[in-house]
Amino acid sequence: GAVVSQHPSWVICKSGTSVKIECRSLDFQATTMFWYRQFPKQSLMLMATSNEGSKATYEQGVEKDKFLINHASLTLSTLTVTSAHPEDSSFYICSARRGETANEKLFFGSGTQLSVL
Amino acid sequence: TQLLEQSPQFLSIQEGENLTVYCNSSSVFSSLQWYRQEPGEGPVLLVTVVTGGEVKKLKRLTFQFGDARKDSSLHITAAQPGDTGLYLCAGTVMEYGNKLVFGAGTILRVKS
Repeated sequence: GAVVSQHPSWVICKSGTSVKIECRSLDFQATTMFWYRQFPKQSLMLMATSNEGSKATYEQGVEKDKFLINHASLTLSTLTVTSAHPEDSSFYICSARRGETANEKLFFGSGTQLSVL
Repeated sequence: TQLLEQSPQFLSIQEGENLTVYCNSSSVFSSLQWYRQEPGEGPVLLVTVVTGGEVKKLKRLTFQFGDARKDSSLHITAAQPGDTGLYLCAGTVMEYGNKLVFGAGTILRVKS
């Protein structure tokens, strides 16, 4: 089956620093990738839709200057949390859609636990 | 308000009991999916339903999609401790740009 690799699995950083999270589709090309945020024992909240070769589409209430998304190739999307603060601590998950239509299966990464001190 | 209302939020049962998790919406879904997630990991797809009235079975799990494609249920028969986890329903709705939207999730704990 298709695999999505997310790296790093966990990261601890100091307040004010920036953190980059990578999401790679290993054996398929993903025109569209999605970034989610999840707090403990809660559901996934969609942050943004990442489209290869174009600007990401952010959900309402998500700061685009805070969460920079780059989808430079069909197999890689990155999320950079800029000037991270303790309230940004969360579990971040990416997913990649194989194919063009909305009913195509999504494959999820294993998530990144971010802790900002 | 959430697009997808999932209930119950928490469920703690004894091994061998049956349970049902519900997912409801006022919108019609192009497709609806059920996922299971363990702590510190990404969600794992259990099933996708696309046809109104569809019923799918996965061992002790039975998934139903409502005739009007606005609701779904997950029924687990004879729950096992290994079924413990967070269960999420998620759906795509045309009027929301076909993005995958998740319900609030159901935390299931099966005690031995």
